[in-house]
Amino acid sequence: EPEVTQTPSHQVTQMGQEVILRCVPISNHLYFYWYRQILGQKVEFLVSFYNNEISEKSEIFDDQFSVERPDGSNFTLKIRSTKLEDSAMYFCASRMDRTIYNEQFFGPGTRLTVL
Amino acid sequence: TQLLEQSPQFLSIQEGENLTVYCNSSSVFSSLQWYRQEPGEGPVLLVTVVTGGEVKKLKRLTFQFGDARKDSSLHITAAQPGDTGLYLCAGLTNFGNEKLTFGTGTRLTIIP
Repeated sequence: EPEVTQTPSHQVTQMGQEVILRCVPISNHLYFYWYRQILGQKVEFLVSFYNNEISEKSEIFDDQFSVERPDGSNFTLKIRSTKLEDSAMYFCASRMDRTIYNEQFFGPGTRLTVL
Repeated sequence: TQLLEQSPQFLSIQEGENLTVYCNSSSVFSSLQWYRQEPGEGPVLLVTVVTGGEVKKLKRLTFQFGDARKDSSLHITAAQPGDTGLYLCAGLTNFGNEKLTFGTGTRLTIIP
């Protein structure tokens, strides 16, 4: 069964460093998302992406964040200058199309630790 | 800001018992999903409900969407240790809206 994959599974970085989190969405999906989950808290929406542009973003997704689909398969989240509070699980999700069911399928996540 | 409150937050019951967890909001949702999340992993989709009053069954799990599409419930019959996990509800407030709003989660433990 097709699934969303994410790399790396764990990323440890120093505060102020740039990180790039990578995702390979399900191959025939058209809509892509990033969510994050701080330890012990709810899953929170960061950004949605369609047709090579951001379609919606949350207040969390400030100028330090960017997303890109550099080729036909990868979808990346870049954090330019990491802060301690960016430590969280980051989940990529994808969706086939805009059906009423709008089912988003999630990857296994990348655990980001900022020291 | 749409909020989805889940109750109970924690539930620990004996194997074989029945249980119900709830997902409530003051907002109307166009669709609502239930996910299950294991520690250190991503949410895994269980079911999507769309129509007010809709009931869906997945083996021993029964999901219901409230008539007003503001609430949902998950009922598990004869719980098994394999049902242990974090159950999340997540909703879309309108068809064009992209983001899922997640609930606070119910951590379920089934004791053998």
